[in-house]
Amino acid sequence: KAGVTQTPRYLIKTRGQQVTLSCSPISGHRSVSWYQQTPGQGLQFLFEYFSETQRNKGNFPGRFSGRQFSNSRSEMNVSTLELGDSALYLCASSWKENNEQFFGPGTRLTVL
Amino acid sequence: GQNIDQPTEMTATEGAIVQINCTYQTSGFNGLFWYQQHAGEAPTFLSYNVLDGLEEKGRFSSFLSRSKGYSYLLLKELQMKDSASYLCAVRDPQAGTALIFGKGTTLSVSS
Repeated sequence: KAGVTQTPRYLIKTRGQQVTLSCSPISGHRSVSWYQQTPGQGLQFLFEYFSETQRNKGNFPGRFSGRQFSNSRSEMNVSTLELGDSALYLCASSWKENNEQFFGPGTRLTVL
Repeated sequence: GQNIDQPTEMTATEGAIVQINCTYQTSGFNGLFWYQQHAGEAPTFLSYNVLDGLEEKGRFSSFLSRSKGYSYLLLKELQMKDSASYLCAVRDPQAGTALIFGKGTTLSVSS
């Protein structure tokens, strides 16, 4: 069974631009969570989607948004990028909301 | 508030045993997870504890005491490939189904 895939793996943007990251969960998994990982703050929860509905949202500004499609694939969008948005963005999927989460390889975003 | 503490760094030698501690303070509790993350790679699941006690899985064991807000990950017969960051994460039902992560413990194993 294929694991969680994320595209792109690396991305360089400039301040003020927007970016869209994509995540394909493990086949059959319906829950997708997004995390931001930085050296200073570690892994921080962004949001979770289950059956196309956002079930939970972390403490991030409204510039961070996401959605989930009927095939469980998910996208997250960051608008008006800031230097501090440079991070590794990880997507994790699970079969149900309270199950173990399997992480994808992440998208490394650099904002210049 | 929510707070999860782990040591920042630990070192050990091949063949030894190391214990990585994690203390947590959360509004609620619905399980504690340990993940391993090698540099530049995704976190991989190691263990899950929801009841007090020890869970053993090969060279890895994890312990939980809910009354003390405490867990540890025990790694036996250390190998060089165990050099990685170890992440403790708690699921707090008051935060929905999100995992709240500690900042991780970087373990360096030397020969």
